[in-house]
Amino acid sequence: DAGVIQSPRHEVTEMGQEVTLRCKLISGHNSLFWYRQTMMRGLELLIYFNNNVPIDDSGMPEDRFSAKMPNASFSTLKIQPSEPRDSAVYFCASSSDRGYEQYFGPGTRLTVT
Amino acid sequence: GENVGLHLPTLSVQEGDNSIINCAYSNSASDYFIWYKQESGKGPQFIIDIRSNMDKRQGQRVTVLLNKTVKHLSLQIAATQPGDSAVYFCTFNNAGNMLTFGGGTRLMVKP
Repeated sequence: DAGVIQSPRHEVTEMGQEVTLRCKLISGHNSLFWYRQTMMRGLELLIYFNNNVPIDDSGMPEDRFSAKMPNASFSTLKIQPSEPRDSAVYFCASSSDRGYEQYFGPGTRLTVT
Repeated sequence: GENVGLHLPTLSVQEGDNSIINCAYSNSASDYFIWYKQESGKGPQFIIDIRSNMDKRQGQRVTVLLNKTVKHLSLQIAATQPGDSAVYFCTFNNAGNMLTFGGGTRLMVKP
């Protein structure tokens, strides 16, 4: 099993640009979580999907952030327009209904200049 | 400007000693707890879990203890090795499939 796959691994962009982060779930998993990690705020849950439906998006910072699951195995997190304060490591994680354990991807390190 | 970040509690141990990392949780309704390990540059990785109907569970070199009365969780690592150096997070289940992550404890192993 390849595990959770995230791309890109690193992204450097200029303020105002659109950024799209991608995540492929582990086969058979049906829950998807997007997290953001910074030195200032630690690990924060942004949004949680179950069976492609957003269940809790209370952690999404503002309207500049949006997340989708176009199919059961893939998700995108989009930031438009990006700002320097969005610089962080973004993780996605997936889990199945068989348990609470979440499997994390390697993360995308985003730098907005 | 000055970089003011989260102050992670740090535990520094000598290689070969045992390590104990503690965690307090807030949700008395939680019935599932997981310890994660995060090495530098990587995502958190599952170490060990425990359900609320247990008070102790052992894995390879790791033991998790759960005290539901005082809502306290601990992770014990036997014979700590340099590869154990990482940030350790305790988590507990929340609504739906969500986990609440603690702030993390940094473990530093001195050779």
